[in-house]
Amino acid sequence: GAGVSQSPRYKVAKRGQDVALRCDPISGHVSLFWYQQALGQGPEFLTYFQNEAQLDKSGLPSDRFFAERPEGSVSTLKIQRTQQEDSAVYLCASSLASGTYANQQFFGPGTRLTVL
Amino acid sequence: DAKTTQPNSMESNEEEPVHLPCNHSTISGTDYIHWYRQLPSQGPEYVIHGLTSNVNNRMASLAIAEDRKSSTLILHRATLRDAAVYYCIPRKTGANNLFFGTGTRLTVIP
Repeated sequence: GAGVSQSPRYKVAKRGQDVALRCDPISGHVSLFWYQQALGQGPEFLTYFQNEAQLDKSGLPSDRFFAERPEGSVSTLKIQRTQQEDSAVYLCASSLASGTYANQQFFGPGTRLTVL
Repeated sequence: DAKTTQPNSMESNEEEPVHLPCNHSTISGTDYIHWYRQLPSQGPEYVIHGLTSNVNNRMASLAIAEDRKSSTLILHRATLRDAAVYYCIPRKTGANNLFFGTGTRLTVIP
């Protein structure tokens, strides 16, 4: 069965460029999450969607980061005017239900962003 | 959110059992304890979770202390494919996102 897919797997951007990272969640999964993982660190939460509604964006580090999920399935994380500190692996996860203790998140392989 | 303490790294011989400890002394009564692991160059994957009772599944066992201030993930027979970073994550009921720490890097020696 298809899992969570992300594209591109690798992205190199020059400082100041805008980038868009795509996440295709598991079909039928209501919840979608974005995480940022710096080298040698655990993933850190960025934002959360329930269907098309962005219910929590408290982890977005600046207003240069923007995420959307317009039809409640595919999601895009956009970073404007990239900076070197944005270099990280961006992970997407989806889950079948929200707000329940048994909520298991399924992660994609991530997109490794390198900003030069 | 409850703070967790895990050893930075551990080693195990292949085919031997592995006990991965986690301290979460500030855990609240309704926090479930989740474990995820992250294999090299992959996203994290769910391993197991529990509240008070010990739990078993096909991947591992989870032993939770009676006072719930610590737990231990048990891999009964480590294989080379179990080499990964293991994260212990207390999770509030109703919470959506996961708070990862730095985890324990498990090395399996053939």
